[in-house]
Order: sequence, then structure tokens, then C-alpha cells
Amino acid sequence: AQSVTQLGSHVSVSEGALVLLRCNYSSSVPPYLFWYVQYPNQGLQLLLKYTSAATLVKGINGFEAEFKKSETSFHLTKPSAHMSDAAEYFCAVTATGYSTLTFGKGTMLLVSP
Amino acid sequence: NAGVTQTPKFQVLKTGQSMTLQCAQDMNHNSMYWYRQDPGMGLRLIYYSASEGTTDKGEVPNGYNVSRLNKREFSLRLESAAPSQTSVYFCASTQARTGGTDTQYFGPGTRLTVL
Repeated sequence: AQSVTQLGSHVSVSEGALVLLRCNYSSSVPPYLFWYVQYPNQGLQLLLKYTSAATLVKGINGFEAEFKKSETSFHLTKPSAHMSDAAEYFCAVTATGYSTLTFGKGTMLLVSP
Repeated sequence: NAGVTQTPKFQVLKTGQSMTLQCAQDMNHNSMYWYRQDPGMGLRLIYYSASEGTTDKGEVPNGYNVSRLNKREFSLRLESAAPSQTSVYFCASTQARTGGTDTQYFGPGTRLTVL
């Protein structure tokens, strides 16, 4: 069985501040990990994914995430928040042999001027 | 390419009514999925179709049925709607060639209210 835990249902940052959204996973086999973003009233779109190549993964809009097996984590970061980053972010896990993604409950990122 | 399309965008039903949510993709993807999104619950998988001609239950299948009409289309049916089915429903698709690493592409969602 696989699961994802996202710490913090809401994270607030000021524009220009570091963004850190936390994701921890549980998987009995080597995982593949994803971060998706959902802007208001839209579907989800992929930010980045870890597929066992490089442990530091760069995505769109300046986001990146680092896979740390020893910590079972895949935290999402961005050095400097923009107002346009305000959205809900979902971490998800799957693995070879699995046909489906398991999503975390999501973290809403609020960016203030 | 339109990607993944869903109809309708909004729907209000009365308890006991039935309806079908439609989903189509034009990316020649093999696998398709139906999720529901509720506040604080993330996305939960209702049903999926790993390939044309197959369907499987996900985490929350009760009260729903699905049909993989052809490779492009995957519909979700509520036979007798209940207020607990008030939610936002998302359809997604993926090529599913590389053992789990493929990206899922999502539609814009259907916002359903059951009174």
C-alpha cells in the first residue's frame, strides 16, 4: 500500500519569501513521486515528477523538489514566491506495477504582498 | 488538441435523480480515471480504466458506475444521487506506457450539487 502525508493544509508566505511545502510518503517498493498544482476553478497540472533518475527535480515556474529516501520525503521548494503562485498543491505517489496515483490531501499556498 | 474535456461544467440534481458525467481525451491515451475532490480530502479515485475494455474500482466506488465507451471516452454514472455525492469530479488520462512514470492529464472538472 502507498500513502502520502502533506504537512499543513495551509501555508502562508510573503511575496519574495521562500516557499516550502512538505510531503512524506510511504511505499513498500521504490516510488515515483509527483507534485501537481491546482489554480482556482481549474483542473490539476503537473509541476514536476521524480522517476528515479535525478534526486533533485526541477519543474515549471521555478519550483523544485528533492527526493530523500532516508527521510521518505519529497518536499517542494521555490526560492522566491510570486503572487501568481497562490494555488493548492498536491503530492502524489505511485510505483512500478501500480496503475493508479495516491494523492495527499493538498496544501493551499497563500501569498501576501 | 483539446486535451481532456468534461461535460457538463456544473450540475444540480435532486436526491434520487440520475445523471452521467462525460469525459473525452484526444491524446490517444490508454488509461483514464475518475476522481472526486472534497475540501480537506484531496483527490480520491472512484474508478479507473487501465485500457480500453477494462474498468476497476478505486478507493470510493460505491454509488457510481462507469463505462469505457471507446479509447477516447470514459463516462461516470450516478444512478440515484445522494447529497454525499456533492463534489467536484475530475477526469484524467495517461499514456501508461512506462510503468507508472507517465503524467496524468486532468480535465477542468464538473461541479455537482445534490440537494
